[in-house]
Amino acid sequence: AQSVSQHNHHVILSEAASLELGCNYSYGGTVNLFWYVQYPGQHLQLLLKYFSGDPLVKGIKGFEAEFIKSKFSFNLRKPSVQWSDTAEYFCAVSSGGSSNTGKLIFGQGTTLQVKP
Amino acid sequence: GAVVSQHPSWVICKSGTSVKIECRSLDFQATTMFWYRQFPKQSLMLMATSNEGSKATYEQGVEKDKFLINHASLTLSTLTVTSAHPEDSSFYICSASFQPNEQFFGPGTRLTVL
Repeated sequence: AQSVSQHNHHVILSEAASLELGCNYSYGGTVNLFWYVQYPGQHLQLLLKYFSGDPLVKGIKGFEAEFIKSKFSFNLRKPSVQWSDTAEYFCAVSSGGSSNTGKLIFGQGTTLQVKP
Repeated sequence: GAVVSQHPSWVICKSGTSVKIECRSLDFQATTMFWYRQFPKQSLMLMATSNEGSKATYEQGVEKDKFLINHASLTLSTLTVTSAHPEDSSFYICSASFQPNEQFFGPGTRLTVL
Protein backbone atom coordinates (compact mmCIF):
# COMPACT_ATOMS: atom_id res chain seq x y z
CA ALA A 1 0.00 0.00 0.00
CA GLN A 2 1.08 3.53 -0.65
CA SER A 3 2.16 5.74 2.22
CA VAL A 4 3.64 9.19 2.57
CA SER A 5 5.83 10.40 5.39
CA GLN A 6 6.68 13.98 6.21
CA HIS A 7 9.55 14.23 8.63
CA ASN A 8 9.00 17.70 9.99
CA HIS A 9 5.78 18.22 11.90
CA HIS A 10 6.37 21.78 12.99
CA VAL A 11 8.96 24.14 11.55
CA ILE A 12 9.65 27.63 12.80
CA LEU A 13 11.75 29.97 10.67
CA SER A 14 12.56 33.63 10.54
CA GLU A 15 11.77 35.61 7.43
CA ALA A 16 14.37 35.25 4.66
CA ALA A 17 15.52 31.88 5.96
CA SER A 18 15.68 28.98 3.55
CA LEU A 19 13.13 26.19 3.76
CA GLU A 20 13.29 22.50 3.07
CA LEU A 21 10.45 20.18 4.00
CA GLY A 22 11.04 16.47 3.70
CA CYS A 23 8.66 14.02 2.04
CA ASN A 24 9.22 10.33 1.45
CA TYR A 25 6.79 7.92 -0.10
CA SER A 26 6.41 4.21 -0.21
CA TYR A 27 5.21 2.72 -3.48
CA GLY A 28 6.76 0.34 -5.95
CA GLY A 29 5.29 1.65 -9.17
CA THR A 30 5.05 4.88 -11.08
CA VAL A 31 3.87 7.78 -8.97
CA ASN A 32 2.59 11.28 -9.34
CA LEU A 33 3.74 13.62 -6.58
CA PHE A 34 2.17 16.77 -5.21
CA TRP A 35 2.68 19.46 -2.64
CA TYR A 36 -0.37 21.28 -1.34
CA VAL A 37 -0.58 24.27 0.98
CA GLN A 38 -3.39 25.15 3.37
CA TYR A 39 -3.29 28.72 4.62
CA PRO A 40 -5.11 29.42 7.89
CA GLY A 41 -8.85 29.24 7.31
CA GLN A 42 -8.51 28.46 3.62
CA HIS A 43 -8.85 25.42 1.40
CA LEU A 44 -6.01 23.32 0.06
CA GLN A 45 -4.20 24.77 -2.91
CA LEU A 46 -1.78 23.07 -5.24
CA LEU A 47 1.79 24.35 -4.95
CA LEU A 48 3.39 22.08 -7.51
CA LYS A 49 3.25 18.61 -8.99
CA TYR A 50 5.50 16.08 -10.65
CA PHE A 51 4.36 13.52 -13.19
CA SER A 52 7.44 12.86 -15.31
CA GLY A 53 10.37 14.59 -16.95
CA ASP A 54 12.64 17.08 -15.21
CA PRO A 55 12.84 15.98 -11.57
CA LEU A 56 13.22 19.57 -10.43
CA VAL A 57 9.77 21.08 -10.43
CA LYS A 58 8.98 24.74 -9.97
CA GLY A 59 5.69 25.80 -8.48
CA ILE A 60 3.89 28.92 -7.45
CA LYS A 61 5.16 31.53 -4.99
CA GLY A 62 8.80 30.62 -5.45
CA PHE A 63 8.51 27.03 -4.27
CA GLU A 64 10.28 24.13 -5.92
CA ALA A 65 10.62 20.42 -5.27
CA GLU A 66 13.04 17.76 -6.38
CA PHE A 67 12.04 14.20 -7.13
CA ILE A 68 14.82 11.77 -6.23
CA LYS A 69 13.63 8.37 -7.36
CA SER A 70 16.42 6.42 -5.66
CA LYS A 71 15.50 7.95 -2.33
CA PHE A 72 11.72 7.87 -2.85
CA SER A 73 11.76 11.53 -1.89
CA PHE A 74 10.08 14.71 -3.05
CA ASN A 75 11.35 17.49 -0.81
CA LEU A 76 9.92 20.99 -0.97
CA ARG A 77 12.24 23.99 -0.97
CA LYS A 78 12.12 27.75 -0.97
CA PRO A 79 15.25 29.90 -0.82
CA SER A 80 13.76 32.70 1.25
CA VAL A 81 10.50 32.39 3.17
CA GLN A 82 8.10 35.20 3.94
CA TRP A 83 5.70 35.67 6.82
CA SER A 84 2.87 34.98 4.37
CA ASP A 85 4.21 31.44 3.87
CA THR A 86 2.93 30.53 7.32
CA ALA A 87 0.64 27.60 6.59
CA GLU A 88 0.20 23.84 6.66
CA TYR A 89 2.02 21.95 3.92
CA PHE A 90 0.99 18.53 2.68
CA CYS A 91 2.86 16.14 0.47
CA ALA A 92 0.68 13.72 -1.51
CA VAL A 93 1.13 10.85 -3.93
CA SER A 94 -1.08 9.10 -6.43
CA SER A 95 -0.48 6.11 -8.66
CA GLY A 96 0.89 7.10 -12.01
CA GLY A 97 0.59 5.63 -15.45
CA SER A 98 -2.20 3.23 -16.38
CA SER A 99 -3.13 2.53 -12.77
CA ASN A 100 -3.89 6.16 -12.05
CA THR A 101 -7.24 6.53 -10.32
CA GLY A 102 -6.61 10.05 -9.16
CA LYS A 103 -6.78 8.97 -5.51
CA LEU A 104 -4.41 10.98 -3.35
CA ILE A 105 -2.59 9.68 -0.30
CA PHE A 106 -1.49 12.51 1.95
CA GLY A 107 1.37 12.84 4.37
CA GLN A 108 0.79 13.99 7.92
CA GLY A 109 1.42 17.60 7.11
CA THR A 110 4.01 20.12 8.27
CA THR A 111 3.08 23.30 10.05
CA LEU A 112 5.34 26.13 8.97
CA GLN A 113 5.48 29.20 11.15
CA VAL A 114 7.46 32.14 9.80
CA LYS A 115 8.38 34.82 12.29
CA PRO A 116 8.51 38.39 10.96
CA GLY B 1 -11.54 29.15 -12.28
CA ALA B 2 -11.98 25.68 -10.76
CA VAL B 3 -13.86 26.70 -7.66
CA VAL B 4 -15.39 24.15 -5.32
CA SER B 5 -17.83 25.10 -2.61
CA GLN B 6 -19.14 23.21 0.38
CA HIS B 7 -22.28 23.79 2.36
CA PRO B 8 -22.61 24.18 5.23
CA SER B 9 -19.21 25.37 6.40
CA TRP B 10 -20.03 24.48 9.99
CA VAL B 11 -22.76 22.32 11.46
CA ILE B 12 -23.62 21.27 14.99
CA CYS B 13 -26.06 18.45 15.50
CA LYS B 14 -27.34 16.18 18.21
CA SER B 15 -26.20 12.60 18.50
CA GLY B 16 -28.40 10.27 16.47
CA THR B 17 -29.38 12.77 13.82
CA SER B 18 -28.27 12.79 10.19
CA VAL B 19 -26.34 15.57 8.51
CA LYS B 20 -25.98 16.26 4.80
CA ILE B 21 -22.97 18.07 3.38
CA GLU B 22 -22.99 19.39 -0.17
CA CYS B 23 -20.02 19.74 -2.48
CA ARG B 24 -20.41 21.74 -5.66
CA SER B 25 -18.08 22.49 -8.53
CA LEU B 26 -19.05 26.02 -9.49
CA ASP B 27 -17.39 26.57 -12.82
CA PHE B 28 -16.58 23.15 -14.21
CA GLN B 29 -18.08 19.72 -14.56
CA ALA B 30 -16.58 17.22 -12.18
CA THR B 31 -16.57 13.64 -13.35
CA THR B 32 -15.08 12.56 -10.04
CA MET B 33 -15.43 13.88 -6.53
CA PHE B 34 -13.50 12.76 -3.49
CA TRP B 35 -14.44 12.98 0.16
CA TYR B 36 -11.80 13.32 2.86
CA ARG B 37 -11.84 13.50 6.60
CA GLN B 38 -9.32 15.57 8.51
CA PHE B 39 -8.76 15.30 12.24
CA PRO B 40 -7.20 18.23 14.10
CA LYS B 41 -3.52 18.63 13.29
CA GLN B 42 -3.61 15.51 11.15
CA SER B 43 -3.62 14.64 7.52
CA LEU B 44 -6.49 14.19 5.12
CA MET B 45 -7.79 10.65 4.98
CA LEU B 46 -9.59 9.64 1.82
CA MET B 47 -13.03 8.27 2.63
CA ALA B 48 -14.50 7.59 -0.76
CA THR B 49 -14.37 8.29 -4.46
CA SER B 50 -17.54 9.31 -6.21
CA ASN B 51 -18.13 9.19 -9.94
CA GLU B 52 -21.15 10.88 -11.46
CA GLY B 53 -24.03 8.48 -11.95
CA SER B 54 -22.44 5.50 -10.23
CA LYS B 55 -22.02 4.18 -6.72
CA ALA B 56 -19.23 5.57 -4.60
CA THR B 57 -16.12 3.53 -3.91
CA TYR B 58 -15.29 3.52 -0.22
CA GLU B 59 -11.85 3.15 1.31
CA GLN B 60 -11.15 0.28 3.64
CA GLY B 61 -12.56 0.88 7.09
CA VAL B 62 -15.12 3.48 6.01
CA GLU B 63 -18.70 2.43 6.70
CA LYS B 64 -20.70 2.97 3.55
CA ASP B 65 -24.01 2.75 5.40
CA LYS B 66 -22.91 5.48 7.76
CA PHE B 67 -21.40 7.82 5.22
CA LEU B 68 -23.80 7.92 2.30
CA ILE B 69 -22.44 9.53 -0.82
CA ASN B 70 -24.50 10.62 -3.78
CA HIS B 71 -23.11 12.11 -6.98
CA ALA B 72 -26.26 12.86 -8.90
CA SER B 73 -24.88 15.44 -11.30
CA LEU B 74 -21.59 16.65 -12.70
CA THR B 75 -21.57 19.59 -10.32
CA LEU B 76 -22.95 18.17 -7.09
CA SER B 77 -22.00 15.45 -4.65
CA THR B 78 -23.45 15.00 -1.19
CA LEU B 79 -22.15 13.26 1.91
CA THR B 80 -24.73 12.26 4.49
CA VAL B 81 -23.51 11.26 7.91
CA THR B 82 -26.28 9.05 9.23
CA SER B 83 -27.03 8.63 12.91
CA ALA B 84 -24.09 10.84 13.79
CA HIS B 85 -22.20 10.30 17.02
CA PRO B 86 -19.57 12.42 18.77
CA GLU B 87 -16.77 10.34 17.26
CA ASP B 88 -17.95 11.47 13.81
CA SER B 89 -17.03 15.04 14.73
CA SER B 90 -14.39 16.09 12.25
CA PHE B 91 -13.52 18.32 9.33
CA TYR B 92 -14.90 16.94 6.07
CA ILE B 93 -13.35 18.11 2.83
CA CYS B 94 -14.40 17.36 -0.71
CA SER B 95 -12.47 17.75 -3.91
CA ALA B 96 -13.63 17.74 -7.50
CA SER B 97 -11.81 16.61 -10.58
CA PHE B 98 -12.38 16.58 -14.32
CA GLN B 99 -9.13 14.77 -15.04
CA PRO B 100 -7.27 12.18 -12.96
CA ASN B 101 -4.30 14.28 -11.92
CA GLU B 102 -5.94 17.45 -10.82
CA GLN B 103 -8.19 17.91 -7.81
CA PHE B 104 -9.71 21.15 -6.64
CA PHE B 105 -10.56 21.28 -2.99
CA GLY B 106 -13.51 22.75 -1.19
CA PRO B 107 -13.12 24.84 1.96
CA GLY B 108 -14.33 22.04 4.20
CA THR B 109 -17.21 21.49 6.61
CA ARG B 110 -16.70 21.28 10.33
CA LEU B 111 -19.09 18.82 11.91
CA THR B 112 -19.61 18.83 15.66
CA VAL B 113 -21.86 16.15 17.10
CA LEU B 114 -23.07 16.80 20.64
